[in-house]
Amino acid sequence: QKEVEQNSGPLSVPEGAIASLNCTYSDRVSQSFFWYRQYSGKSPELIMSIYSNGDKEDGRFTAQLNKASQYVSLLIRDSQPSDSATYLCAVNPRSFLIFGTGTRLQVFP
Amino acid sequence: NAGVMQNPRHLVRRRGQEARLRCSPMKGHSHVYWYRQLPEEGLKFMVYLQKENIIDESGMPKERFSAEFPKEGPSILRIQQVVRGDSAAYFCASSLGTGDFTEAFFGQGTRLTVV
Repeated sequence: QKEVEQNSGPLSVPEGAIASLNCTYSDRVSQSFFWYRQYSGKSPELIMSIYSNGDKEDGRFTAQLNKASQYVSLLIRDSQPSDSATYLCAVNPRSFLIFGTGTRLQVFP
Repeated sequence: NAGVMQNPRHLVRRRGQEARLRCSPMKGHSHVYWYRQLPEEGLKFMVYLQKENIIDESGMPKERFSAEFPKEGPSILRIQQVVRGDSAAYFCASSLGTGDFTEAFFGQGTRLTVV
């Protein structure tokens, strides 16, 4: 079992819709969770961090964490074509981040 | 306020040569992490360093790869006798500290091509 699992996609959504990205993790000791966005050929960019169960909102982004289910999600409201990228989920069960393979999001006009 | 700086951005090496990748962390950050990303794959952890110490190198190949973070100067990832399979993007990240709530920020990466 992979430590961090994500559906590779692509997830295609129309402009203006809500994009929902999901991630599961295996190590229950993980206490911090992160979402990074990576455009093709570029480096990962941190967009959200979440540490407590529940929702955390930042602009059009909402991260959701359920530690009992070992599940993290990222919602992107009012999706824009510029949101088209690969979204990487990362957890921190030890002293460094472990990443999923990412979900490719495509937002079409 | 400069972010994480990596150089070179692109590096071409012939098989058997050495590759040296440099990473200067964000100002005030003393923790450095190296990751490798193969085409169409995720980020794979290689090594975690603090100044003058390797904290965790569990993701580093046992041969040909080494890393250091000296008291002065950037962190260096060194690959000796490169092979075609070493071609990848190598990313460095830095953080203020370690522990559960530490956010890590990435540099632009070095794209290594072995010909």
